[in-house]
Amino acid sequence: AQSVTQPDIHITVSEGASLELRCNYSYGATPYLFWYVQSPGQGLQLLLKYFSGDTLVQGIKGFEAEFKRSQSSFNLRKPSVHWSDAAEYFCAVMNSGGSNYKLTFGKGTLLTVNP
Amino acid sequence: NAGVTQNPKFQVLKTGQSMTLQCAQDMNHNSMYWYRQDPGMGLRLIYYSASEGTTDKGEVPNGYNVSRLNKREFSLRLESAAPSQTSVYFCATRRVMNTEAFFGQGTRLTVV
Repeated sequence: AQSVTQPDIHITVSEGASLELRCNYSYGATPYLFWYVQSPGQGLQLLLKYFSGDTLVQGIKGFEAEFKRSQSSFNLRKPSVHWSDAAEYFCAVMNSGGSNYKLTFGKGTLLTVNP
Repeated sequence: NAGVTQNPKFQVLKTGQSMTLQCAQDMNHNSMYWYRQDPGMGLRLIYYSASEGTTDKGEVPNGYNVSRLNKREFSLRLESAAPSQTSVYFCATRRVMNTEAFFGQGTRLTVV
């Protein structure tokens, strides 16, 4: 069964510092991978996605992520964090073939940004 | 174009009461999902509907039932609510396999 691990429950960074949020997945074939962001009291908004092709994908709000098959990872990065980036971030994996339509989420990483 | 609409936004139930959470989408998407979100647990899939007329269990289906009423609507029913079902419930939709999911704003349910 597919699964997603986000090792960091809570990360604190200073505004202007760089950010990397880790995501590891477990899946036999090439997965579809996603990062979502959730602000307090809100639904989930898609930051970026990987289906195939270039392993470095660009998303909204200046975020990027790199798919590394050898490490089963899809880490999210941002060169310079803004206070408005404080939120919870979820990595998700989806089956890329067959009839399994399930989208599986990690437990999330809460990002705090210090001024 | 409202996207994914969930009703109600908030609800308080007494233990043993029943209720139906409504989800409607105007995106003409094929697949629809119900998730619950609990602190420290991420989002866990309750049920999903790959296409109109089909439904399947996710990882935490016990205590819930669903109905894919038509392509637009996917409802989640709690027949006899329990305090363990206190959670935030999200509906999501997806057009086809290689596309992302879109989420509603959630229903915050408290069972006392």
